[in-house]
Amino acid sequence: GQSLEQPSEVTAVEGAIVQINCTYQTSGFYGLSWYQQHDGGAPTFLSYNGLDGLEETGRFSSFLSRSDSYGYLLLQELQMKDSASYFCVTQAAGNKLTFGGGTRVLVKP
Amino acid sequence: GAGVSQSPSNKVTEKGKDVELRCDPISGHTALYWYRQRLGQGLEFLIYFQGNSAPDKSGLPSDRFSAERTGESVSTLTIQRTQQEDSAVYLCASSRGASGSYEQYFGPGTRLTVT
Repeated sequence: GQSLEQPSEVTAVEGAIVQINCTYQTSGFYGLSWYQQHDGGAPTFLSYNGLDGLEETGRFSSFLSRSDSYGYLLLQELQMKDSASYFCVTQAAGNKLTFGGGTRVLVKP
Repeated sequence: GAGVSQSPSNKVTEKGKDVELRCDPISGHTALYWYRQRLGQGLEFLIYFQGNSAPDKSGLPSDRFSAERTGESVSTLTIQRTQQEDSAVYLCASSRGASGSYEQYFGPGTRLTVT
């Protein structure tokens, strides 16, 4: 089966750093992705980790540890526009994708 | 190029009626997914099409739900005898579908309200 856990909500101030953790139990695991979704909008792709380690894309970084079935998304230099929900997504055999419940990030001035 | 499109954008229907939702994926994308998202919740996987393979229907919540895809293009999700708990946003996504292809492109969704 497939299951993912991530915190439901995180609040931080502008300029701060936020780390969203994701733990998973996934049969036939291939990799971990992260998506961002603003209220009323569609999810958009942020990053993918197929190998252990850190992937950096501008202010956002994502990390994966296969041995720990764990990953995280790091948001740096938070901006008001980063207020959104963030989903971790596992990719398994057969290109099966499973979304976590999402973490709502609220950025305060 | 054009992204994923869905129609209608909004649908209000009476309980017990059937509805049909449409998704046009990005041209050339062989994989197509349907998800359901209730207000304030995560995405619930419904069904997955990959090329000419048999679809993965493991997420369909009941036999009132069905979906079809014509080749590698348009897909329709049909909900029969709608219930109030079917009210949600239905999202469609497509991807290249090749091995190692993980990035999904989402449509704007269809907001279904069952009264």
